Amino acid sequence: AQSVTQPDIHITVSEGASLELRCNYSYGATPYLFWYVQSPGQGLQLLLKYFSGDTLVQGIKGFEAEFKRSQSSFNLRKPSVHWSDAAEYFCAARWGDYKLSFGAGTTVTVRA
Amino acid sequence: KAGVTQTPRYLIKTRGQQVTLSCSPISGHRSVSWYQQTPGQGLQFLFEYFSETQRNKGNFPGRFSGRQFSNSRSEMNVSTLELGDSALYLCASSGDFRTDTQYFGPGTRLTVL
Repeated sequence: AQSVTQPDIHITVSEGASLELRCNYSYGATPYLFWYVQSPGQGLQLLLKYFSGDTLVQGIKGFEAEFKRSQSSFNLRKPSVHWSDAAEYFCAARWGDYKLSFGAGTTVTVRA
Repeated sequence: KAGVTQTPRYLIKTRGQQVTLSCSPISGHRSVSWYQQTPGQGLQFLFEYFSETQRNKGNFPGRFSGRQFSNSRSEMNVSTLELGDSALYLCASSGDFRTDTQYFGPGTRLTVL
């Protein structure tokens, strides 16, 4: 079955440190891939997306993600985290049936 | 350009009642999707509408229904509410679900007592 896995439920990082959030997808075909961020009580904001082409994708707020077909992964990174990056992050994928499937999310806490 | 708007933002209902949630997509977007977000099940796809036609449906009981109007605004209805229907209901719009990115609204927080 098609699924998206985010192995880390919660990550704590110091302000100014780097951040990497992991995402893996199942199923043989390569889906369209997305990262969204959700602040408490808010909807989802798109950070970046991968459809095809260059495997390193740049997004908003200084985020980037790298698609690795061999590992079925689409990890999100940020070189230097700001306190405002504290939020919940969702990886999502869309296959041929057009349904958007989400991972369980990773909560990021930023400590001063 | 205004984003996706959802009304109401908060709603409290009792078991057995029905509820209607509304979503106005970004201007020019013709595809509207609905998702349910709960702590236990996470984000789950409900259904998607394009040009007033339901094209995709998730694994939810028939109590969950929706529709889309000619101006692309969409409503979802939940009948005979159960406690487990308490959730954040998110609406997303796109030019075309199949090829475009979905942009989400702030959600409607439904509490069923």
